[in-house]
Amino acid sequence: DAGVIQSPRHEVTEMGQEVTLRCKPISGHDYLFWYRQTMMRGLELLIYFNNNVPIDDSGMPEDRFSAKMPNASFSTLKIQPSEPRDSAVYFCASSFGAAGGNTIYFGEGSWLTVV
Amino acid sequence: AQRVTQPEKLLSVFKGAPVELKCNYSYSGSPELFWYVQYSRQRLQLLLRHISRESIKGFTADLNKGETSFHLKKPFAQEEDSAMYYCALSGPGGGNKLTFGTGTQLKVEL
Repeated sequence: DAGVIQSPRHEVTEMGQEVTLRCKPISGHDYLFWYRQTMMRGLELLIYFNNNVPIDDSGMPEDRFSAKMPNASFSTLKIQPSEPRDSAVYFCASSFGAAGGNTIYFGEGSWLTVV
Repeated sequence: AQRVTQPEKLLSVFKGAPVELKCNYSYSGSPELFWYVQYSRQRLQLLLRHISRESIKGFTADLNKGETSFHLKKPFAQEEDSAMYYCALSGPGGGNKLTFGTGTQLKVEL
């Protein structure tokens, strides 16, 4: 398996534009997580899904952020409109079974810069 | 609420010196603790978990419930250990999510 696949790897966009980040989890995994990594706050969980259903979105910073998982092999994280403070690395991760008892596998991240 | 604290943003040691990356946690029950590592521009990967009581790449970590700590240790640092290390916590029985600390950048100098 190629692991968790994220796209784009790098994105530079102007403030106010819509940004869509994509993720393909490992086949067979039933949990999918979106994390944001910044120097100041480290890794923050934004939202996670179980069997394509959003379970906890309490980490989503505000209404500008939305995430969907239309099927077991695809998820998107959308920011609209984007702001400079959204600049960060966004990681998608997946696991088979609940996170604590099972290994979470991370993608390589999407490096977002909003200017 | 569950919280993980890594007090050091950067730890610099010489090759061959002992390493200790500190991690303290706050959780009302019996958590499961993990260490994840991120080498330069690579994806995060699991290094070790406390329930396995294993040593990976020479690293060990012992859960101290009295001190609510899960420090990562290695007796002799190697250059290839330079990376970002994250301590993480989940609820008992696995829970559904991991809470990460802010990470410690380990730099091993020659």
